[in-house]
Amino acid sequence: QVQLVQSGAEVKKPGASVKVSCKASGYTFTDYYMHWVRQAPGQGLEWMGRIIPNSGGTNSAQKFQGRVTMTRDTSINTAYMELSRLSSDDTAVYYCARDYGYQLLVYYFDYWGQGTLVTVSS
Amino acid sequence: EIVMTQSPATLSVSPGERATLSCRASQSISSNLAWYQHKPGQAPRLLIHDASIRATGIPARFSGSGSGTEFTLTISSLQSEDFAVYYCQQYKNWGTFGQGTKVEIK
Repeated sequence: QVQLVQSGAEVKKPGASVKVSCKASGYTFTDYYMHWVRQAPGQGLEWMGRIIPNSGGTNSAQKFQGRVTMTRDTSINTAYMELSRLSSDDTAVYYCARDYGYQLLVYYFDYWGQGTLVTVSS
Repeated sequence: EIVMTQSPATLSVSPGERATLSCRASQSISSNLAWYQHKPGQAPRLLIHDASIRATGIPARFSGSGSGTEFTLTISSLQSEDFAVYYCQQYKNWGTFGQGTKVEIK
């Protein structure tokens, strides 16, 4: 069965960076795009960006451009999201989510990781 | 950026009753709309895509309708497990979510 397992909770200081991992299993990793979505406390869901596991090509929401780096390691079926120059506004649960489309990009998501809480506090 | 607006923010419904949730897009998105259910401490669950197509395994009491800028999610007879927050998401242009509608027990 498809599973996306994320790394554990992180506590970071303002100005630092955080890197969250998402290990996929139960399907061919390179056949589906992977997205990153976050949810700040009391807020809704916010799409951050996506990566093409095959080529490593990425696109991100304008809000995060210059601060987010998405990478992948196809040898271990794992996607990564690194967010730099953290502020308290970045305190959120970060999710990886698999694109629904098989070998194409549709931008809605059928499988999600369990979420990783990132807390930014001095 | 396409802005998605959901209403109401909170919907109080008794078990067995019908719930109707609305979602409006700031510009036409055709039928490029998905609905998700989100419970505390869990990952969101895809319910509907292409405005009206139920995802695999989703019960028939969930139905979606609409196109263009106005969309509706209907839960025909609320079960205890349906009390959650529901989000709409447009994917006409990247992917933006509404702020959510919380369905709570009346």
